[in-house]
Amino acid sequence: DTAVSQTPKYLVTQMGNDKSIKCEQNLGHDTMYWYKQDSKKFLKIMFSYNNKELIINETVPNRFSPKSPDKAHLNLHINSLELGDSAVYFCASSQDSSGSIDTQYFGPGTRLTVL
Amino acid sequence: AQSVTQLDSHVSVSEGTPVLLRCNYSSSYSPSLFWYVQHPNKGLQLLLKYTSAATLVKGINGFEAEFKKSETSFHLTKPSAHMSDAAEYFCVVSGGPGANNLFFGTGTRLTVIP
Repeated sequence: DTAVSQTPKYLVTQMGNDKSIKCEQNLGHDTMYWYKQDSKKFLKIMFSYNNKELIINETVPNRFSPKSPDKAHLNLHINSLELGDSAVYFCASSQDSSGSIDTQYFGPGTRLTVL
Repeated sequence: AQSVTQLDSHVSVSEGTPVLLRCNYSSSYSPSLFWYVQHPNKGLQLLLKYTSAATLVKGINGFEAEFKKSETSFHLTKPSAHMSDAAEYFCVVSGGPGANNLFFGTGTRLTVIP
């Protein structure tokens, strides 16, 4: 009965590769988010989608492209991976689009390591 | 501008002793403040939140935090640590609506010694 799930949990890949991280929520929420937690533990919003439409797009390189095939899924595709992309990526969802963090449910994270 | 500083990257306590995790914030507005816990391989879980009501906020698992405007602090406390409290704790400040107005601290790892 996992609320927000992410696959894979761990991803190790070479520089220059293209990879995707998948996120699914079974809560019926309308809004989904991607956060990046870097090596210094800073957690920062990357993207937010509401009803499959992009509502937040922070200053993220355009190598990162979120895709929302439906309200329950928000996948993150990363092209031409770089060393600095190594981080833990968290998906979250909420019922409303206010972005208030206390309404967000977080997934367990995907640890991406770029070699 | 908003920011949050967690003063200790690692805190170690013995089981049954008090826990104090420190958080200071900076905000141009009346902020909302939150504490989150992250257990290994788990997502963030909300412990408690302050949204301009009572300055002493009680959360889950016996945790509480006090908002002190004069000190710009929002320290997290628990009277008696339990082994299951061992985790990473994040202080978060919200400077306004929208997920792009959330500012996270760098976390404090709590170790509980049996």
